[in-house]
Amino acid sequence: QVHLVESGGGVVQPGRSLRLSCAASGFTFNNFAMHWVRQAPGKGLEWVAVIASDGSHGFEADSVKGRFTTSRDNTKNTLHLQMNSLTVEDSAVYYCARDSNSALPDYWGQGALVTVSS
Amino acid sequence: QSALTQPASVSGSPGQSITLSCTGTSSDVGAFNYVSWYQQHPGKVPKLIIYGVNNRPSGISDRFSGSKSANTASLTISGLQAEDEADYYCSSHTTANTRIFGGGTKVTVL
Repeated sequence: QVHLVESGGGVVQPGRSLRLSCAASGFTFNNFAMHWVRQAPGKGLEWVAVIASDGSHGFEADSVKGRFTTSRDNTKNTLHLQMNSLTVEDSAVYYCARDSNSALPDYWGQGALVTVSS
Repeated sequence: QSALTQPASVSGSPGQSITLSCTGTSSDVGAFNYVSWYQQHPGKVPKLIIYGVNNRPSGISDRFSGSKSANTASLTISGLQAEDEADYYCSSHTTANTRIFGGGTKVTVL
C-alpha cells in the first residue's frame, strides 16, 4: 500500500533554513506528481507546492514563492522541500501527499512538525 | 490567492442529511472538474473522500456524495453518523496550476 514518511522537522530560528524529506513506497514514485501541504496548529490546510513526476517543473503558493523549493530523487523515491528565510508564520505540520489522477492529493503522510521560534 | 469559502460549522442529527458548500471563483472551482473533499478527525491525517467533484475512492461510504454548480462545489453526507463528526476541507486545482483549499467546515453530530 502507499506509504509516505516525512522527516527533517524540528525547531528553527526565524530567518534560518530547514529541509524536509518524504520517503515514498508502495507505488511507482516516478509516475506521480507530489504535493506539500501544511497545517498550522489549530488551523486549516494550506497547499504549499507541487512537483511534476519527473521533477522538471513545479509550482508554489504565493506565501512561499521564492523561499521554498521542491525537488525529488526518483532513484531514491524521495521528495524534498527546501525552506529558506523561515518566519514564525511557517510553523506548521508539513504533509507530503501523492497527486491523484484528478490533480489533487490522495494519499498523505503522517506529517512533520516545523516550529519557527527564537 | 484567498482560500475557498466554506461555512465554519454545520450540524445535524443522526440519520439526517447535511450539505457542505465550497465557493470559489471561475479561476478555480468553476474552471475545472478537479475538486476534492477531505475528512480530518482531530489529531489525524486528512483522508480523501471525494475526488473529481463526485467520485468516491475505494472504501469510502456511498453516504458521501459530491456535486458542483458554477463556482460552488458541495458535499452531501446522508444518514449522518457519529463517526462523521470531523473537519471537512474542499480543494481545487487553479488556472495558475496551483491548488487551493477551503478554510474547512466542522461537522457536529447532535
